[in-house]
Amino acid sequence: AQSVAQPEDQVNVAEGNPLTVKCTYSVSGNPYLFWYVQYPNRGLQFLLKYITGDNLVKGSYGFEAEFNKSQTSFHLKKPSALVSDSALYFCAVRDKSNSGNTPLVFGKGTRLSVIA
Amino acid sequence: GAVVSQHPSWVICKSGTSVKIECRSLDFQATTMFWYRQFPKQSLMLMATSNEGSKATYEQGVEKDKFLINHASLTLSTLTVTSAHPEDSSFYICSARDGGTGGKNQPQHFGDGTRLSIL
Repeated sequence: AQSVAQPEDQVNVAEGNPLTVKCTYSVSGNPYLFWYVQYPNRGLQFLLKYITGDNLVKGSYGFEAEFNKSQTSFHLKKPSALVSDSALYFCAVRDKSNSGNTPLVFGKGTRLSVIA
Repeated sequence: GAVVSQHPSWVICKSGTSVKIECRSLDFQATTMFWYRQFPKQSLMLMATSNEGSKATYEQGVEKDKFLINHASLTLSTLTVTSAHPEDSSFYICSARDGGTGGKNQPQHFGDGTRLSIL
């Protein structure tokens, strides 16, 4: 079975400071990992993914995430937060051995508030 | 990039009405689409997996007669909430994956959601 844990319901950070949104996962095999962002009354917007290769992946809007196999983590980071980054962030996983028709498994989401 | 279009964005209707929500993949073919429901300040709940040309696969606890799914073409899936009641009020989001380019490591792309309010 696959699962994703986002241990923080809410993360608050001052504008200009670095931000981290945590994610850990559990799969029986090897993972594909994804981060999405959701703004109010909108669908989810894809930010970045880890498939293979470099553990540090870079995505949209200056976000990056680091895959750590030993810690089964895929934390989302940004060096300098903007007020406009305030949104709901979801981490998701799919086991590489699953068929392409299986849906992603999502964490419960972390609300990021960037304070000016 | 891959775009998923969902319509309508907002629906307000009376109890007992049936409401149809459309989900289209605009620049790719989607043999599989996913329907989610999201309650306020909560995560996504997968309702069903919609398969082109065959029956949808519903998650446990989701009433298939209440939430009718039709996936008649490679670019269109519809969700019909039949005889809607106030407890069906929610945010419904569809999603699809472009399996044609790169296969199963591709992300799912999401529509902008439909806010359904039943009075």
